[in-house]
Amino acid sequence: DTEVTQTPKHLVMGMTNKKSLKCEQHMGHRAMYWYKQKAKKPPELMFVYSYEKLSINESVPSRFSPECPNSSLLNLHLHALQPEDSALYLCASSQEPSSYEQYFGPGTRLTVT
Amino acid sequence: SQQGEEDPQALSIQEGENATMNCSYKTSINNLQWYRQNSGRGLVHLILIRSNEREKHSGRLRVTLDTSKKSSSLLITASRAADTASYFCATPRAMDSNYQLIWGAGTKLIIKP
Repeated sequence: DTEVTQTPKHLVMGMTNKKSLKCEQHMGHRAMYWYKQKAKKPPELMFVYSYEKLSINESVPSRFSPECPNSSLLNLHLHALQPEDSALYLCASSQEPSSYEQYFGPGTRLTVT
Repeated sequence: SQQGEEDPQALSIQEGENATMNCSYKTSINNLQWYRQNSGRGLVHLILIRSNEREKHSGRLRVTLDTSKKSSSLLITASRAADTASYFCATPRAMDSNYQLIWGAGTKLIIKP
């Protein structure tokens, strides 16, 4: 299995809602990432998990809360988001934190109303 | 933050023609990667070239790297409609942080049938 899966594919939420994005990989990768991508822009790194521990937080607002329950799963909990948080949220993984190649999921298209 | 610049921003060619896109970066690197992204979906790793390599091939892809000019090019030969996508270059933010990639702005490639 060489796939990173993400659910849901699309999510519409109000500014007072709480929702979660889910990412899963079964490649035995030990590094997992969350990226945010706005239209016609490159991805922006948000968080890096290395061996299930948060190693990088790119000064992301606290309304985004990552969680790594085990080595295959990565969640992104969302609370009190703003309309400007609407974007494509991409999950990725790599074999090790020192590995070059990252494997991306298809993304969750988030719209905040 | 973005380190790379890519040109052109957009490229439209006829099927069967070759497509060339360029990437420039600002700091010393140990490798440079190219990724493809189909509209609104996840990124797919295409090819990695190390700083001690000048040229690399993978199928219809040819990548060059000129570390003295801090630039790379991606050539797609005999283009197909399925090559329509955005193409991004990516370099590690620092020599010891392969997981923190700096992305170019991307080139949007359209292959006309």
